Amino acid sequence: DIQMTQSPSSLSSSVGDRVTITCRASQSISTYLNWYQQKPGKAPKLLIYAASSLQSGVPSRFSGSGSGTDFTLTISSLQPEDFATYYCQQSYSTPWTFGQGTKVEI
Amino acid sequence: QVQLQESGPGLVKPSQTLSLTCTVSGGSISSGSYYWSWIRQPAGKGLEWIGHIYISGSTNYNPSLKSRVTISGDTSKNQFSLKLSSVTAADTAVYYCARETRDGYNFWFDPWGQGTLVTVSS
Repeated sequence: DIQMTQSPSSLSSSVGDRVTITCRASQSISTYLNWYQQKPGKAPKLLIYAASSLQSGVPSRFSGSGSGTDFTLTISSLQPEDFATYYCQQSYSTPWTFGQGTKVEI
Repeated sequence: QVQLQESGPGLVKPSQTLSLTCTVSGGSISSGSYYWSWIRQPAGKGLEWIGHIYISGSTNYNPSLKSRVTISGDTSKNQFSLKLSSVTAADTAVYYCARETRDGYNFWFDPWGQGTLVTVSS
């Protein structure tokens, strides 16, 4: 299985801050990498697919980059509704696997 | 707009079989563009892909669960289902169904059902 490792596991930030979350794959996965946002008690929501493509309806302050083994999710200006847990997911080979999550807190 | 809704017992006894159904509305599971997946999340933990089914009936399961999992589809009801046998407390989790989109070699989950908590306990 491909292991996905996110860093940090949690971070504290303020409204308006620029936030960067990193996801590293245990082997090269090209750009087969997706990002999700999950709020407490809710299902995950797709933010970014194919490493850098913004899902329809997702605010443009979210962006993704990277290829191979290293990827980043950036929130350019953190908003109150962005406090949540973020997961990366690889689709290079089954079983699809997720990172352990990064919790963004106030 | 496609919506998914999980249903099934919230409590299952150890060694028994967990059975869940996902009802899809606003779109057809017969569409050739999508796979239909199950994903679970133990309380306070991360996400684990269980497996998926394609309209042809082909399935792909996580090897960690493969010996206990069956995913099937019912196009007449626009539903797909999960069966997980010989459950233990370790299978206690929120279970999500999700539509899996394929674009070339990339696959992603969107949308998701709201999730249903299944507790394994006697």
